[in-house]
Amino acid sequence: EVQLVGSGGGLVQPGGSLRLSCAASGFIFTRYWMTWVRQAPGKGLEWVANMNGPGSEKSYADSVKGRFTISRDNAKNSVYLQMNSLRVEDTAVYYCARDDGYGLFLYWGQGTLVSVSS
Amino acid sequence: EIVLTQSPGTLSLSPGERATLSCRASQSVSSSYLTWYQHKPGQAPRLLIFGASSRATGIPDRFSGSGSGTDFTLTISRLEPEDFAVYYCQQSSTFGGGTKVEIK
Repeated sequence: EVQLVGSGGGLVQPGGSLRLSCAASGFIFTRYWMTWVRQAPGKGLEWVANMNGPGSEKSYADSVKGRFTISRDNAKNSVYLQMNSLRVEDTAVYYCARDDGYGLFLYWGQGTLVSVSS
Repeated sequence: EIVLTQSPGTLSLSPGERATLSCRASQSVSSSYLTWYQHKPGQAPRLLIFGASSRATGIPDRFSGSGSGTDFTLTISRLEPEDFAVYYCQQSSTFGGGTKVEIK
C-alpha cells in the first residue's frame, strides 16, 4: 500500500525556518518525481516544488524560489522541504504528493500545517 | 505560463442535480496533462480525472471529463451528498482557482 506521511509543521515567526519531511512507503521511491503542494487558509491549491527520482532535477514556484529548497534521501525514502525566510503568506497546509507522470498526483500525504505568525 | 480559470466560483445545487464545472486555459494545453481533483476540508485532494477524460481507479461513473485545447469540463451527472466539495483542474504545475460545489 502506498503511503506518504508528512511531518515537521508548526508555528514559526516571520523570517524563521522550518523543515518539512515526507516519508514514503509501498513503492519504489527512486522511480518517481515527488512534489510539494500547499493550500493557504481560504485559498486554492498551489504547486510549490518538485524533484525527480535521482534528485538531479528540481523546480520551484516563483513565490518560493530562493527561499525554499526541496531535497530527498532515497536511502530513507523521504523527501524534504527546507523553508527559510518564512513569510506570513507562507501559512498553509503543505502536502507531499507522488507524481505519476504528467504532473498527475494519485497519492498524497495527509498534509502538515505551517503557521507563520509573530 | 499557463493560467487556468475555473468557473463558476461557487455552484449551489441540490442532491440529484447535474453539476457542470468549467476550466479554461489561457493557451492550448495537451489533454494528456489536464487533471481534475476533488478536495474536502481536512482531507488530501483526491484524483478524479486524468488525461481530460479518464476516470481514476474507484471513481464513480457519475463523474466525467471532457474537452480539448483551452476548454475543459467536469460533469457530475447526479450529485450525491458526498460530492459537495471543491474541485480543481490542473495542468502540470498550475492549478485552477477551484469551484466549490455547495448544497443549495
